[in-house]
Amino acid sequence: EAGVTQSPTHLIKTRGQQVTLRCSPISGHTSVYWYQQALGLGLQFLLWYDEGEERNRGNFPPRFSGRQFPNYSSELNVNALELEDSALYLCASSLEEGRGYEQYFGPGTRLTVT
Amino acid sequence: KNEVEQSPQNLTAQEGEFITINCSYSVGISALHWLQQHPGGGIVSLFMLSSGKKKHGRLIATINIQEKHSSLHITASHPRDSAVYICAVLMDSNYQLIWGAGTKLIIKP
Repeated sequence: EAGVTQSPTHLIKTRGQQVTLRCSPISGHTSVYWYQQALGLGLQFLLWYDEGEERNRGNFPPRFSGRQFPNYSSELNVNALELEDSALYLCASSLEEGRGYEQYFGPGTRLTVT
Repeated sequence: KNEVEQSPQNLTAQEGEFITINCSYSVGISALHWLQQHPGGGIVSLFMLSSGKKKHGRLIATINIQEKHSSLHITASHPRDSAVYICAVLMDSNYQLIWGAGTKLIIKP
């Protein structure tokens, strides 16, 4: 069974640009979570999608947004990139709504903003 | 005070030693996760617990709901166990995952 996949694996952007990160969950999983891990910091919750809807959002500005498609894959969009957006962005999926269901993580996308 | 506290922050041990990493939390939870993060960022989910104890190979995880405490044990540690171990709790109020700061484990041969 294929795990959670993310693309791209690495990305370099300049300040002010926009970026889209992609995540495909494990087949059968309906919930997708996005996390940011900036250098030297712990994982920070960004967004949680389930059944195509945003269920919860972490403490991030509106320029961080995303969506979930009917096939449960998800995109994370970051507009007006800032240097501090440089981080590892992790996607995870679970069976449903995160009600104690285990989250499975993708390999991450490493974003560098210069 | 952080809602999830892990100890120790760093741990260096010799191959073969018994390892214990602790996690305490202050919020109501529906589950607790132990995860392993390898250099480069790859995260592997080790256990999800809501009560009692789970064992997988050389890894054992326990949780005491009344005391709001969990431990991850590694028996017969090996250099390939070197990684950051993260405790995360799933809040029962909004199903948000709250992360501990992680424990960096180094096992020397």
